[in-house]
Amino acid sequence: AQKVIQVWSTASRQEGEELTLDCSYETSQVLYHLFWYKHLLSGEMVFLIRQMSSSTAKERSGRYSVVFQKSLKSISLVISALQPDDSGKYFCALWELVTQVVGQLTFGSGTRLQVYA
Amino acid sequence: ETAVFQTPNYHVTQVGNEVSFNCKQTLGHDTMYWYKQDSKKLLKIMFSYNNKQLIVNETVPRRFSPQSSDKAHLNLRIKSVEPEDSAVYLCASSYWGYEQYFGPGTRLTVL
Repeated sequence: AQKVIQVWSTASRQEGEELTLDCSYETSQVLYHLFWYKHLLSGEMVFLIRQMSSSTAKERSGRYSVVFQKSLKSISLVISALQPDDSGKYFCALWELVTQVVGQLTFGSGTRLQVYA
Repeated sequence: ETAVFQTPNYHVTQVGNEVSFNCKQTLGHDTMYWYKQDSKKLLKIMFSYNNKQLIVNETVPRRFSPQSSDKAHLNLRIKSVEPEDSAVYLCASSYWGYEQYFGPGTRLTVL
């Protein structure tokens, strides 16, 4: 069974619009972290934003913010004021503590975003 | 600004050859990783190395081995490459438990 699920494989929006990318996850751990990454056409994987399971703060980084619904095991990435450069593939990732010394990062299958000018 | 460096960018080789990829991070992180990225851009963890402790994904074939000289370097060696080893290999680093920063990747093609 998949641990990190990104239902939408593709999305498209116009420049200036706002987009929400959804991600759901499965974990039995009490403490875990969630991350969003963007995969560029150049091949680079860029970290965008982090959400810790223990945090109730609404995380925000520039035009990126998250909507974290812990009870639903859901985390959405919100990108405001979309620009054509936001085009790329976005990955949700779950980090869990598997043992005292072993952490595991699991990626979703990604959502490819196309922003039109 | 790149802080996780990988060399080479590309490598083409023949079945049975040995290859070695280098990775260096300048972020002062204590943990480094190697991932294999498939054609659908999905990332699969191969190894993680933290405080001289190596964690191996048990599905990784034995011909793959990581090599570390210090916490800033984690190289990947493939003893005898197979066609299915063709992929992009990504190195990453982090403070343990926090977000990982990725290098640009090394694309391996096995003929």
